[in-house]
Amino acid sequence: TQLLEQSPQFLSIQEGENLTVYCNSSSVFSSLQWYRQEPGEGPVLLVTVVTGGEVKKLKRLTFQFGDARKDSSLHITAAQPGDTGLYLCAGVGARTDDKIIFGKGTRLHILP
Amino acid sequence: DAGVTQSPTHLIKTRGQQVTLRCSPKSGHDTVSWYQQALGQGPQFIFQYYEEEERQRGNFPDRFSGHQFPNYSSELNVNALLLGDSALYLCASSIGRSSYEQYFGPGTRLTVT
Repeated sequence: TQLLEQSPQFLSIQEGENLTVYCNSSSVFSSLQWYRQEPGEGPVLLVTVVTGGEVKKLKRLTFQFGDARKDSSLHITAAQPGDTGLYLCAGVGARTDDKIIFGKGTRLHILP
Repeated sequence: DAGVTQSPTHLIKTRGQQVTLRCSPKSGHDTVSWYQQALGQGPQFIFQYYEEEERQRGNFPDRFSGHQFPNYSSELNVNALLLGDSALYLCASSIGRSSYEQYFGPGTRLTVT
């Protein structure tokens, strides 16, 4: 059974600080995605990474896919209150019949 | 350009009842996937509909069924509701059955009492 474990579960930091959250698995994924979900809304896709070692940047957010395609990280530089939300990673397995699976998420709170 | 819409927003049902949730995909999208998100958890994949047929299914019992209409909108039906079915039900749309570039709706919050 494929599992995605996200850490930390909760993170509360001051505005302006940097942070990194992680998404780990023992399984190989053909692609991995990061979403942000705010209360009362559905998840919003931030990025999709498909190549081992791939790094993508979205303004102050940097996403990295592990070389072995089993893990990923999200780094936020100079966090702002608008970054507050639930960050979810989701992976699609390497087999054609694999379904997408989500981690439980990291709940991030940026204090002004 | 309308995004993914879902109805109703909230719903309260009693154990044993049946419920139907509705989803209209983003304009231009032909594939709809349904997810269940329990409190404090990530979304769990229920099933995907493409060309009016169920193409993939997650680990959910047969009490969960769906339908896709010719205009690509979709319904999720849950029979014999259990307390554990209380959750946020999310619909996501995409283009093509192999794409995971999904756009999610705001969800339907189902409470079973």
